[in-house]
Amino acid sequence: DAGVIQSPRHEVTEMGQEVTLRCKPISGHDYLFWYRQTMMRGLELLIYFNNNVPIDDSGMPEDRFSAKMPNASFSTLKIQPSEPRDSAVYFCASSFRNLGETQYFGPGTRLLVL
Amino acid sequence: AQTVTQSQPEMSVQEAETVTLSCTYDTSESDYYLFWYKQPPSRQMILVIRQEAYKQQNATENRFSVNFQKAAKSFSLKISDSQLGDAAMYFCAFGNEKLTFGTGTRLTIIP
Repeated sequence: DAGVIQSPRHEVTEMGQEVTLRCKPISGHDYLFWYRQTMMRGLELLIYFNNNVPIDDSGMPEDRFSAKMPNASFSTLKIQPSEPRDSAVYFCASSFRNLGETQYFGPGTRLLVL
Repeated sequence: AQTVTQSQPEMSVQEAETVTLSCTYDTSESDYYLFWYKQPPSRQMILVIRQEAYKQQNATENRFSVNFQKAAKSFSLKISDSQLGDAAMYFCAFGNEKLTFGTGTRLTIIP
């Protein structure tokens, strides 16, 4: 069984450029989560979806960040324009039925904005 | 606000020995779930163990067990017979719809 798939694994870009991170959740999972991990702030929840509908985006840092889930097997996190302080590891996770269920994480995307 | 505190930024243990990682949390809710995740150098977040707050029995998973004290809001992880492959960052997390994570404890295994 394939786990959560994220692409790219590494991304280096210049300030001001648009960045798109991609995630494919585990088949059959109802919930999808986007996290950001930095040394300073640890692991933060950015947004999560239930059945492709955004439920809580209160963790999205600012309007430069947007996330979509057009179908059950694909989600994107977009940063436009990117800034150096966006450099972090971005994780996608999915779970079945959510409430108390285990979240399974993807391998993460390491983003470096120069 | 929900908070999780892992008071030990770093821990080390001799191979084959036992180590306990501490975690405390704060919440006004009565129904929630608790987790320990492991993050090795590969960065992959891997579930170690899960505990339902309404269950009094402590969860166990092979060499990993928890000591869950609901009244004290404490959720420590005990690793028995430590192995070199246990070296990683360990994160405590709890919640329901959303998980709140601690800042992690870096565990080093001494051969």
